[in-house]
Amino acid sequence: EVQLVESGGGLVQPGESLRLSCAASGFTVTNNYMSWVRQAPGKGLEWVSVIYTDGRTYYADSVKGRFAVSRDISKNTVNLQMNSLRAEDTAVYFCARGMPSLVGFFDSWGQGTLVTVSS
Amino acid sequence: DIVMTQSPDSLAVSLGERATINCKSSQSVLYSSNNKNYLAWYQQKPGQPPKLLIYWASARESGVPDRFSGSGSGTDFTLTISSLQAEDVAVYYCQQYFSTPSITFGQGTRLELK
Repeated sequence: EVQLVESGGGLVQPGESLRLSCAASGFTVTNNYMSWVRQAPGKGLEWVSVIYTDGRTYYADSVKGRFAVSRDISKNTVNLQMNSLRAEDTAVYFCARGMPSLVGFFDSWGQGTLVTVSS
Repeated sequence: DIVMTQSPDSLAVSLGERATINCKSSQSVLYSSNNKNYLAWYQQKPGQPPKLLIYWASARESGVPDRFSGSGSGTDFTLTISSLQAEDVAVYYCQQYFSTPSITFGQGTRLELK
C-alpha cells in the first residue's frame, strides 16, 4: 500500500527556517515525480515544488530562492528545506506522488503538516 | 501559468440529485500528439488531503464510485455527480498538468446539501 507521511511542521518566526520530511512506503520515491503542495488556512491548493525522477527540481515563483527540495534515497524520503520564511508561507504542506514521467496528477497524498510563521 | 477557473464557487444540491461543477482553463490543456486532456479532479473533505477522482479529464481513479464522471476537452471541463450522496459533501478542485512543472489548481467549489 502506498503511504506518505509528512513531518517537521511547527511554529516559527518570520525569517527562520524549517525542514519538512515526507516518508514514503509502498513505492520508491525515485520512481515518481514527487511534489509539495500547500494549503493556506481556509484557502485552495497551491503547488510549491517538484523533484523529478532524474533529480531536477522546480519551484513556484513564490518560493523560488528560499525553498529547496531533495531526496534521501536510503530513507525513501523527500525533504523540503524552507528558509527565510514569511507569514504568507503559513499553510498545511502536503507531499504528493505524481506520475513516473510527469509532474502529472497526484494519486497519493500525505495527511499534511502545518507550518505557522508568526511572531 | 495556466489559470484554472471553477464555477460556481459553491453549490447546494439535494440528495439523489445531479451536481455539476465546471472548470475552465486560460489555454487549452489538450496535447495534440496524444489527444489527451491534461486535467484532473480532486475531492477534499475537512481535515483531509485531496483525493484523486478523475484524471485525463474523464478516466476514473480506481475505487471511485461510478456516479462521478468527468467530461470536456480543450479549455472547458465538467465534473458530474449523477446522484448526490451525503458523503459527497466536500470541496472539489480541478488541476491542469499540461503546463509542467508549474501545475495549477482551480480555486475550488464547495458542494453542500440542500
